[in-house]
Amino acid sequence: SQTIHQWPATLVQPVGSPLSLECTVEGTSNPNLYWYRQAAGRGLQLLFYSVGIGQISSEVPQNLSASRPQDRQFILSSKKLLLSDSGFYLCAWSVGGGGPEQYFGPGTRLTVT
Amino acid sequence: AQKVTQAQTEISVVEKEDVTLDCVYETRDTTYYLFWYKQPPSGELVFLIRRNSFDEQNEISGRYSWNFQKSTSSFNFTITASQVVDSAVYFCALSEAETGGSYIPTFGRGTSLIVHP
Repeated sequence: SQTIHQWPATLVQPVGSPLSLECTVEGTSNPNLYWYRQAAGRGLQLLFYSVGIGQISSEVPQNLSASRPQDRQFILSSKKLLLSDSGFYLCAWSVGGGGPEQYFGPGTRLTVT
Repeated sequence: AQKVTQAQTEISVVEKEDVTLDCVYETRDTTYYLFWYKQPPSGELVFLIRRNSFDEQNEISGRYSWNFQKSTSSFNFTITASQVVDSAVYFCALSEAETGGSYIPTFGRGTSLIVHP
């Protein structure tokens, strides 16, 4: 069966510090991968998605970036965090070339102070 | 452009009551997909169901049922005999046709369901 991991689970970082959040998927090959942010108020905002290694599509311009160095690894980064980057970050996967439903990881709660 | 509206921000019920969560969508595509996800207090979104635009058959899974009506662009979710464990935020979502090798969903803002014992 497929599983998706995210770490860390929680993170408190000062403004201006760098960020690296990692997501890995097990039990499937060539998945589509997604990063979402959920701020207070519950709305889900798609940040990036990837259909293959090295292929990143950005949905929202901001100070975040994403990379996919391996088939089942998706990384969300920032060089300098802003207060507005605080939120709950969710990674998700879907079957590459398959159905549209997405499966989510446990999330990372980021607080920028 | 696709849009999903969940007009109910919060619903509060007492255990064993039935509750319906509303979802209204907008799309210009003839082929699309609708979803419901559950987000318990732990935070992880759990996939509940997918419905294809060409299949209006309603579905029942235990205490959960879904009513898809294209005529009213609605995809409502009913929980029968609610339980405390049903307390969560529920999201409705819509994906149109695949773009660039991926489906990009639009989520509603969610409905917070609180079930009191």
